[in-house]
Amino acid sequence: QQQVKQSPQSLIVQKGGISIINCAYENTAFDYFPWYQQFPGKGPALLIAIRPDVSEKKEGRFTISFNKSAKQFSLHIMDSQPGDSATYFCAASNSGNKLVFGAGTILRVKS
Amino acid sequence: GAGVSQSPSNKVTEKGKDVELRCDPISGHTALYWYRQRLGQGLEFLIYFQGNSAPDKSGLPSDRFSAERTGESVSTLTIQRTQQEDSAVYLCASSLWAGSYEQYFGPGTRLTVT
Repeated sequence: QQQVKQSPQSLIVQKGGISIINCAYENTAFDYFPWYQQFPGKGPALLIAIRPDVSEKKEGRFTISFNKSAKQFSLHIMDSQPGDSATYFCAASNSGNKLVFGAGTILRVKS
Repeated sequence: GAGVSQSPSNKVTEKGKDVELRCDPISGHTALYWYRQRLGQGLEFLIYFQGNSAPDKSGLPSDRFSAERTGESVSTLTIQRTQQEDSAVYLCASSLWAGSYEQYFGPGTRLTVT
């Protein structure tokens, strides 16, 4: 019940395209859903996060879509750029304490 | 201001030796978290501190793993009698307080057990 399932494992997108990464969860007590971006050799960096009382949150080119009834949330990267090439992790928390992470998606944006 | 810092950045040790990993959280952050990231995998929660106490140690894999925090600042993760399966990147994060949700990560310590 604590798992967060993330797909796809890897993704190749053309420059200017839309990157979409999906996550699904089981624990309905989760109340915070962040996305982290990680470059090789670096720690994960908080990108954007959403609470379950809204269905969408947008920050620049990054949008989280949240479907509470389906227990799914996704990250959309609009106008994808080569500099967006990184590993993306979704996560969830039900107490603001420990984060439960998905397995990660390796994104490559081709120029 | 300065972010979360960790030391050493890399550690190579022989099987059976003990290792200590250090984390300095963001100044003013009272909550501190340890995670482990195996190659090509997501992060696994190990333990978190609120102040100097550890309300949740549920992720520590075995009694060879322990952590402490002093002065509501620096934390040390200790792994005794290291095994090859302990090889991973150990990441530390901090937040304003436990329950404040936004966690900020350090660069990690890459541990290799030979």
